[in-house]
This record gives sequence, C-alpha cells and structure tokens, in this order.
Amino acid sequence: GAVVSQHPSWVICKSGTSVKIECRSLDFQATTMFWYRQFPKQSLMLMATSNEGSKATYEQGVEKDKFLINHASLTLSTLTVTSAHPEDSSFYICSAGRYEQFFGPGTRLTVL
Amino acid sequence: GQNIDQPTEMTATEGAIVQINCTYQTSGFNGLFWYQQHAGEAPTFLSYNVLDGLEEKGRFSSFLSRSKGYSYLLLKELQMKDSASYLCAVKYGNEKLTFGTGTRLTIIP
Repeated sequence: GAVVSQHPSWVICKSGTSVKIECRSLDFQATTMFWYRQFPKQSLMLMATSNEGSKATYEQGVEKDKFLINHASLTLSTLTVTSAHPEDSSFYICSAGRYEQFFGPGTRLTVL
Repeated sequence: GQNIDQPTEMTATEGAIVQINCTYQTSGFNGLFWYQQHAGEAPTFLSYNVLDGLEEKGRFSSFLSRSKGYSYLLLKELQMKDSASYLCAVKYGNEKLTFGTGTRLTIIP
C-alpha cells in the first residue's frame, strides 16, 4: 500500500519557538494532503487541507497565521507551528490519498 | 454539522464477536471508512464502504446502509491485540474525511 512518512516523529521545544513538521508521500503524488491534530483520548480533528501549488484551506477555528502550511511539491507538505505554546502540545498526523487516506506515523509535539 | 456518532467505549471477551456501530448525517455522503488506532500510533485502514451491504475482510467486516446513515464494524474471533480505538470516518463530497469520536475497545481474557 501507499506510504506516507512524517518527520520528526517527536519533538520537544520551548514556548515561543517554531516547529516544522514534514509530511511526504513516498510512492505516489499527492496534490492534496490533510493535517490533523489529536489530543489524548480524543479523535482526529482536521486542521487544514494542504493543496499543492496553492493556499491551504483551514478548518473553522484553526489560525492560519499560527499553523503555516506549505505544499511546494507533489510529495511534500510542511506544517509549521509558529510561536508554539504548551496548549499546542498534541499529536499531529498527516494523510494523503485519492480514495483511501493513508496516514503518516504522526509527530508528537511537546511544548515546554 | 456532520455529526458522526459511535460509542465511546466497549469491552469484549477474547475469542468472541463485537459490533461497533456508527451513525452519520447522510447529506453529501461519499463513502465511509473504518480505521484502527493503537495508543500513540497513527490510524491504519481497515475497510471502505460506499455501497449498501457487507464488506468482509478476514476477521473484520463492515456494513453500510446509506438510507439509514448507519454502519457497523464487526470483529470476529477477538484477540488481545484487537484492543485499540476504532474510528469511523465519512467522506463528504470532496476528499476531506470527517472522523467520529472513536470507540475504545478493550479485550479481556
């Protein structure tokens, strides 16, 4: 099956710093990728849809200036959490796929 | 909204059968997915239904009734490793998936 990778798998940062998370489709081209956030014991919440070559589409309540998304190629989307705060600590997961969504392994962000 | 409802928690016995239900709003429906997610890991694909009926894949089966806005995931011959969260997700219109709250299934010996 298709493979989606994420990097890093976990990151710890200080409050106020920015963190970049990469999502790559390894064996297929993805014009669209999705970014989710998952808090403990909760389900996945879609944050934004990443569109190759154009602006991302953000879900209601998600700050586009805080969560910067760049989809510069057909195999790479990046999510940058700017000026991270402890409440941004979460499990961030990306997915890609035309019909079936393939999920990356996730990135656990801890903001101190 | 597009509320997707599933039970929060379920418990079942090793070797038994369990059915996890999911209801959703039907407007704009374009497919339903079931995913399994172990704690601290990303979801993995289990099944996909877009037409009415039952899809069987080994120990797992998934059923869909589009008119009722209803699906279930059936797990047979339960094993301890089946303890996980099971996520029902619906595609509305375009490629975007909307996830239910997930059902945390605990298998007991």
